[in-house]
Amino acid sequence: QQQVKQSPQSLIVQKGGIPIINCAYENTAFDYFPWYQQFPGKGPALLIAIRPDVSEKKEGRFTISFNKSAKQFSLHIMDSQPGDSATYFCAASSGSSNTGKLIFGQGTTLQVKP
Amino acid sequence: DAGVTQSPTHLIKTRGQQVTLRCSPKSGHDTVSWYQQALGQGPQFIFQYYEEEERQRGNFPDRFSGHQFPNYSSELNVNALLLGDSALYLCASSLSGLAGEQFFGPGTRLTVL
Repeated sequence: QQQVKQSPQSLIVQKGGIPIINCAYENTAFDYFPWYQQFPGKGPALLIAIRPDVSEKKEGRFTISFNKSAKQFSLHIMDSQPGDSATYFCAASSGSSNTGKLIFGQGTTLQVKP
Repeated sequence: DAGVTQSPTHLIKTRGQQVTLRCSPKSGHDTVSWYQQALGQGPQFIFQYYEEEERQRGNFPDRFSGHQFPNYSSELNVNALLLGDSALYLCASSLSGLAGEQFFGPGTRLTVL
């Protein structure tokens, strides 16, 4: 119930393409869903996050789509660039847990070809 | 505005030794969480410190312990190191009450030989 399942494991797109990364969860107590971007040898950087009261959130070229009934959410990267090549992690946490500990997916390695 | 800082960057230890990792939270943050990230995996929650107390603990043995100081900085200690403890150790800081919104440091790469 505490798992967050992420797919695909890896993804290759051409510059300008729109990679889509999907995550699914079981725990209905989760109410905060962030996406992190991680470059090799670096810590994860918070990209964008969503709460279940909205179905979509956009920040720059990054969009989260959220489907509460299906317990799924996804990250779309518009007009992808070679500099977007990194590993992306979805995560989830519960506000009823006073720590908000993050449960992470397994990660998706994205390669954007020039 | 300084982000989350961690030291050291890299560390090499042998089995059975003990290690201490350090973290300074983002300015204005009062809560520190520690995560372990094995190669090719997502980070796994170790524990969280708030008001100098361990507030929640993940599925890690007692060999993993921590501390938070009055200035909100934190230490992670690992005793009796095993080969399987080799990983990237990440510190994340947050503001109490904003559950989930955590900002990560660059991590400490621990190698156990």
